[in-house]
Amino acid sequence: SQTIHQWPATLVQPVGSPLSLECTVEGTSNPNLYWYRQAAGRGLQLLFYSVGIGQISSEVPQNLSASRPQDRQFILSSKKLLLSDSGFYLCAWSGNRGYSNQPQHFGDGTRLSIL
Amino acid sequence: AQKVTQAQTEISVVEKEDVTLDCVYETRDTTYYLFWYKQPPSGELVFLIRRNSFDEQNEISGRYSWNFQKSTSSFNFTITASQVVDSAVYFCALSEALTGANNLFFGTGTRLTVIP
Repeated sequence: SQTIHQWPATLVQPVGSPLSLECTVEGTSNPNLYWYRQAAGRGLQLLFYSVGIGQISSEVPQNLSASRPQDRQFILSSKKLLLSDSGFYLCAWSGNRGYSNQPQHFGDGTRLSIL
Repeated sequence: AQKVTQAQTEISVVEKEDVTLDCVYETRDTTYYLFWYKQPPSGELVFLIRRNSFDEQNEISGRYSWNFQKSTSSFNFTITASQVVDSAVYFCALSEALTGANNLFFGTGTRLTVIP
């Protein structure tokens, strides 16, 4: 069966520090991968998605970046965190069959607090 | 442009009551997909159901049922005989056939509290 792992679960970082959140998927190949952010009390905002190694699409301009160095690994990064980067970050995967009817399956999330 | 509206921000019901969560969507695509997810206090999103735009048949799964009506662009979710474990934030989401990357557009969620 497929599983998705996301870490760390909780992170407290000072403003201006770098960030690296990692997400890995097991039990499937060539998945679509996604990073979402959920601000407190609000819905989910898609940040990045990837349909393959090295292929990253950005949905919103920001100081975050994403990379996909391996088929089932998706990394969210920042060189300098801002206070506005605080939130709950969720990684997700879905099957890649070219149709937009595949449900996305989410990791447990990372709660990021910027001080 | 696509949009998902969940007008109910918070709902509280007493255990064993039925509750309906509303979802209204907007899309220009003729082929689209609708989803419901549950986010319990632990934070992870749990996939509940997927429905495509060609299938308006309502679905029932245990205490859960979904009413899809294209005429009103709604995809409402009903929990029958609610339980405390149903307390969570519920998200409705939409994806369109225009892209192959399964982009999901989420509503802002409805927080359901079931009071024992």
